[in-house]
Amino acid sequence: NAGVTQTPKFQVLKTGQSMTLQCAQDMNHNSMYWYRQDPGMGLRLIYYSASEGTTDKGEVPNGYNVSRLNKREFSLRLESAAPSQTSVYFCASSGNRVANTEAFFGQGTRLTVV
Amino acid sequence: GESVGLHLPTLSVQEGDNSIINCAYSNSASDYFIWYKQESGKGPQFIIDIRSNMDKRQGQRVTVLLNKTVKHLSLQIAATQPGDSAVYFCAERALSQGGSEKLVFGKGTKLTVNP
Repeated sequence: NAGVTQTPKFQVLKTGQSMTLQCAQDMNHNSMYWYRQDPGMGLRLIYYSASEGTTDKGEVPNGYNVSRLNKREFSLRLESAAPSQTSVYFCASSGNRVANTEAFFGQGTRLTVV
Repeated sequence: GESVGLHLPTLSVQEGDNSIINCAYSNSASDYFIWYKQESGKGPQFIIDIRSNMDKRQGQRVTVLLNKTVKHLSLQIAATQPGDSAVYFCAERALSQGGSEKLVFGKGTKLTVNP
């Protein structure tokens, strides 16, 4: 049971570089999320996707773009990385409202921008 | 706007004591609440959930209480063990302005269990 898989686990970028964080889930969930977590802080929602083909901004979307490639995959892109984007990024997925299922999280991607 | 917050950022208890972690939420339309546990270096893990049509739900050593009148959620851990040391987050499922659902997290409470 893979659940939610994120790649890469670690990444160091130089300021201005771009990269895409990948996320895939095998639970046939409709909703997928990207969060960032800074030291000693909670999770802040960057973007989410309630279903295939739709995406919505969360609390802190600036500097990021997302793609819901299909039902399984939801990627997060940093077009021009900045030191302020140094954080741990978590992808999550959840079922639909009727099922009332909790969100399952990946193990996180630790990103450092220098 | 909507927000989920915690009253206490840190909590230290003795092994064997009961722990109570509190959470306030502001979106009265939220219909589903979840408690997560996050250990160092790991992603959050589900502990227990509760729907808005309930006021109490029990699991193994954990109980969640929901008071919709004051928009308050609590997590009670019975006979706290060292393995319970972690950061605990509450989360609410809220509807966005466009009608889609999103999961909003509180800041977290760090629980330390002293042997």
